[in-house]
Order: sequence, then C-alpha cells, then structure tokens
Amino acid sequence: QIHLVQSGAEVKKPGASVKVSCRTSGYTFTTYGISWVRQAPGQGLEWMGWISPYNGNTNYAQKFQGRITMTTDTSTSTAYMELRRLRADDTAVFYCVRDEALLLSKFDPWGQGTLVIVSS
Amino acid sequence: QSVLTQPPSASGTPGQRVTISCSGSTFNIGRNPVNWYQQLPGASPRLLIFDNNQRPSGVPDRFSGSKSGTSASLAISGLQSEDEADYYCAAWDDSLIGVLFGGGTKLTVL
Repeated sequence: QIHLVQSGAEVKKPGASVKVSCRTSGYTFTTYGISWVRQAPGQGLEWMGWISPYNGNTNYAQKFQGRITMTTDTSTSTAYMELRRLRADDTAVFYCVRDEALLLSKFDPWGQGTLVIVSS
Repeated sequence: QSVLTQPPSASGTPGQRVTISCSGSTFNIGRNPVNWYQQLPGASPRLLIFDNNQRPSGVPDRFSGSKSGTSASLAISGLQSEDEADYYCAAWDDSLIGVLFGGGTKLTVL
C-alpha cells in the first residue's frame, strides 16, 4: 500500500520559516512527482507547486515563488516543503500528494496533512 | 484571472441523483483533463474521478464524471448519507502554468 506520512503540527511566528516533511512508501519514489497543496481554515484547496524526485525539477505556483523551496531525499523517499517569511494568512493545513505527472493534476494518494499555525 | 467555478453548495435526499458543475476556460478544462476530489469532514481529500471520467479502484460506480468544452460535471447517483462532503474539481492551467482547483462544493444529504 502507498503511504505518505507527514511531519507534525507547527506553530511559527510571523517572518519565520517552516519545513514540512513527507515520507513516502509503497512505490518507487523517483517514478512519480510530489505536489504540495494547502488549505486555509474553512477554505478550499490551493496548489503550491511540484517537484520531480527523479531529477529535482520544480514548478512553483506564481504566488509562492521566491519564498518556497521543495526538495527531496531519494535515500529516504522523503519530500520536503519549506515556506519562508510566514504571515498570518499562511495558517493552513499543508498536504503532500503523489502526482502522476505535472500536467495531469492527478493527486493520489494524499498525506494526512500538517497544520501550520502562524501567530505572534 | 484563471478560475474554476463551482457552486458553493448542493443538496439532495437519499437515493437522488445530484450533479456538481465546474466551469473553466480554454486554458484549463478546455485543454486538459479534469479530476475530482472528495473531502469528507475532518479528512484529507481523496481522488474520486481522474481524466474527466475515470474512477480509481475502490470508488463506487455511483460516481461519474463528464466534460464538454470548458465545463465539467460530477454526478452522484443513489445518494447516500456518507456522500456528504466537500467536492473539488481540478485541472492544469496552461496560462498560469499550474494547477487550479475549483472553490469547492459542499454537498448536504437531507
């Protein structure tokens, strides 16, 4: 079975950074991309970007360019998403998802989500 | 601005058939496959329909998807109480060079 297990909840102050991990298992890590999707409290889903574990190529949503970095560690089949210069409106649940291919928007399965609270 | 438009809410009684629409543009739905996601209360979303009308294994055939031009629809037949959830459409957008999600539709089973 395919699993994506994310790191635990975080509380951060405005201006800080957060790095969320996503450990995968049950498939060959380098044969699928990983996308990150966030969901603010009571709001809808928002795609943040994509990374290819095969070659490290990334594609970030325009909104986050300049303050987001996605990386992978193929030795542990783990993906990471770092968001910098956090603001209160970054408070959200962040999901990692296995992404079949960049243009397909086919996300399956999803991690359990990581709640990040940004508050002074 | 590229957006995918869904009705904020939908409802039906058990056994009924309901449809949820997703309206986009030539840059997204018009050119790329549409996927649908179901998010049960308190849970992570799950893939419900991919490539416009394909069901992943384990998804009941009560759920079906369709696409025509720049719009897509999700249909749920034989509505059940456990179908009460938020439903999102998604598609790649060629102008944004990114994935767009619809705003989500909250389905209530009366």
